Amino acid sequence: QSVLTQPPSVSAAPGQKVTMSCSGSSSNIGKNYVSWYQQFPGTAPKLLIYDNDKRPSGIPDRFSASKSGTSATLGITGLQTGDEADYYCGTWDNSLSAVVFGGGTKVTVL
Amino acid sequence: VQLVESGGGLVQPGGSLRLSCVASGFTFSNYAMIWVRQAPGKGLEWVSVIFGRGERTYYADSVRGRFTISRDDSKNTLYLHMNSLRPDDTAVYSCAKRGYGSSWNFDYWGRGSLVTVSS
Repeated sequence: QSVLTQPPSVSAAPGQKVTMSCSGSSSNIGKNYVSWYQQFPGTAPKLLIYDNDKRPSGIPDRFSASKSGTSATLGITGLQTGDEADYYCGTWDNSLSAVVFGGGTKVTVL
Repeated sequence: VQLVESGGGLVQPGGSLRLSCVASGFTFSNYAMIWVRQAPGKGLEWVSVIFGRGERTYYADSVRGRFTISRDDSKNTLYLHMNSLRPDDTAVYSCAKRGYGSSWNFDYWGRGSLVTVSS
């Protein structure tokens, strides 16, 4: 059971928008920045978003994120088949003194 | 930036193993580093963190008392000493570098080293 809760899967047609949630608590998302990672099978995770809504250089603006209270959301617009991957949210938990990740959301392009 | 893990393999339950993560391309001593594992078909599970210069360390409940994280800044190398290994420790173990600013994000990850605990 992950400390951060993500839906197991989301899907949408090519070109559409998909969003996924990441729910936490006052000791993690409520007090710390959230980051998001993209992972393709058999490869290392890649940082997509840091500090709730900032994109590292090279990440297209089709990827966006926000945070409100104890939840965060990642959105992908103009969905492409190449976006099919697992997406993880992460942050620090002040009560656990631990890095915490969500269980991951699998994005499927229909 | 490169992170390259090594030291994984097949070990019997109750056995020990030491993983290494050699870093290059950045000032290793300035950054916190983490170990993360991923069991087959499962999600990311944080294992441990060590702050820059080894000032502080923290562990997941599942490994506390069995695993020890350490670093040798003179060798740009991160370690994970694993004792009393159990079958549910079987996973790909990856190291990652803390990234931008002061928040807990990880901008570079290694490809991982597979640890299999089985008799």
